[in-house]
Amino acid sequence: EPEVTQTPSHQVTQMGQEVILRCVPISNHLYFYWYRQILGQKVEFLVSFYNNEISEKSEIFDDQFSVERPDGSNFTLKIRSTKLEDSAMYFCASSEEAAIAKNIQYFGAGTRLSVL
Amino acid sequence: KQEVTQIPAALSVPEGENLVLNCSFTDSAIYNLQWFRQDPGKGLTSLLLIQSSQREQTSGRLNASLDKSSGRSTLYIAASQPGDSATYLCAVPSGGYQKVTFGIGTKLQVIP
Repeated sequence: EPEVTQTPSHQVTQMGQEVILRCVPISNHLYFYWYRQILGQKVEFLVSFYNNEISEKSEIFDDQFSVERPDGSNFTLKIRSTKLEDSAMYFCASSEEAAIAKNIQYFGAGTRLSVL
Repeated sequence: KQEVTQIPAALSVPEGENLVLNCSFTDSAIYNLQWFRQDPGKGLTSLLLIQSSQREQTSGRLNASLDKSSGRSTLYIAASQPGDSATYLCAVPSGGYQKVTFGIGTKLQVIP
């Protein structure tokens, strides 16, 4: 069964460093998403991406975050200058379409980011 | 704005017991609802997806029901096992349907 793949599973970085989290969405999917879960809290929406553009973003997704689809298979989340509070599990998701009745999002296993 | 609430926050039951987890949502204009399982420090495992046209969905010992009009869903786990111990999350599309809103989850512990 097709699945969303995320790498690495665990990323450790120093405060102030840049990190790139990588995702390979399901191959025929056109819509891509990032979510975040701080330990003990809810999974929160960060951003959605379609046709090489951000289609929606939350208030969490500020200027230190960016997303990119650098080639036909990868979807990345970059955090420019990490802060301690960026420590969280980051989930990538993809969906075939965003049409209301068919927006079923498939989630990856997540990347745990630890900022020291 | 869609809000998702899950009750109870935590549940501890002896092995073999049947149990029900509850999820409620404020905006009933949803087209589907998903239940996920999350083990400590791990990712999300999709358990069941219910389309709005369905009233329930079954997978093995799991049965999820959906009542859109009342903004409620339940996840029924039959004959619970210690391996069922995990956090169970409910999630619905929200806003412009570009995102999914999650509940905080119910942490289940099944005692051998």
